[in-house]
Amino acid sequence: DAKTTQPNSMESNEEEPVHLPCNHSTISGTDYIHWYRQLPSQGPEYVIHGLTSNVNNRMASLAIAEDRKSSTLILHRATLRDAAVYYCILRADNDYKLSFGAGTTVTVRA
Amino acid sequence: DGGITQSPKYLFRKEGQNVTLSCEQNLNHDAMYWYRQDPGQGLRLIYYSQIVNDFQKGDIAEGYSVSREKKESFPLTVTSAQKNPTAFYLCASSIFRGYGYTFGSGTRLTVV
Repeated sequence: DAKTTQPNSMESNEEEPVHLPCNHSTISGTDYIHWYRQLPSQGPEYVIHGLTSNVNNRMASLAIAEDRKSSTLILHRATLRDAAVYYCILRADNDYKLSFGAGTTVTVRA
Repeated sequence: DGGITQSPKYLFRKEGQNVTLSCEQNLNHDAMYWYRQDPGQGLRLIYYSQIVNDFQKGDIAEGYSVSREKKESFPLTVTSAQKNPTAFYLCASSIFRGYGYTFGSGTRLTVV
């Protein structure tokens, strides 16, 4: 499985943007970039995914580098409810499985 | 509302006993998965099933067993052969080659 590298932790102030980086230098052409987040004592929830182009949804934006070796999840205005562990995951188009790393723990200060 | 139900939320068992964790989904998803999470760690895949009556081992299947007799249900049995069963267990489902997983709220198993 292609691997991703994320910082262990990040801090942000409430109502400020948060940029979460993810490196995936061994990504293959059929790998989608997925982001999930996990609030304390809950199951992960889907945030966003993309292949080559930048993507936006109601939760976040995903910016993908032109060479696809890195990506950034953008939370436009952090709230206290965004404090969670964020996982960046590569998933091949023909694969069911998601492989989770340690993720980035995001802390939001009021 | 559609979703995944895991029960119970908390489970205590004595060492040496088998225990079965329930996972039911009403999303009409084809694929179902079991993950284990230890404190401060990411999720590790135990078993997954793409279709009824078929399942595959994940990365840490030793000491666990599953069945998939119905599309809606994917129970996980933690056997006495699992050396460190105390953990947070998460069930998930997805549509065929779909992009999003839906997770349940988890079962926290403590073996004493």
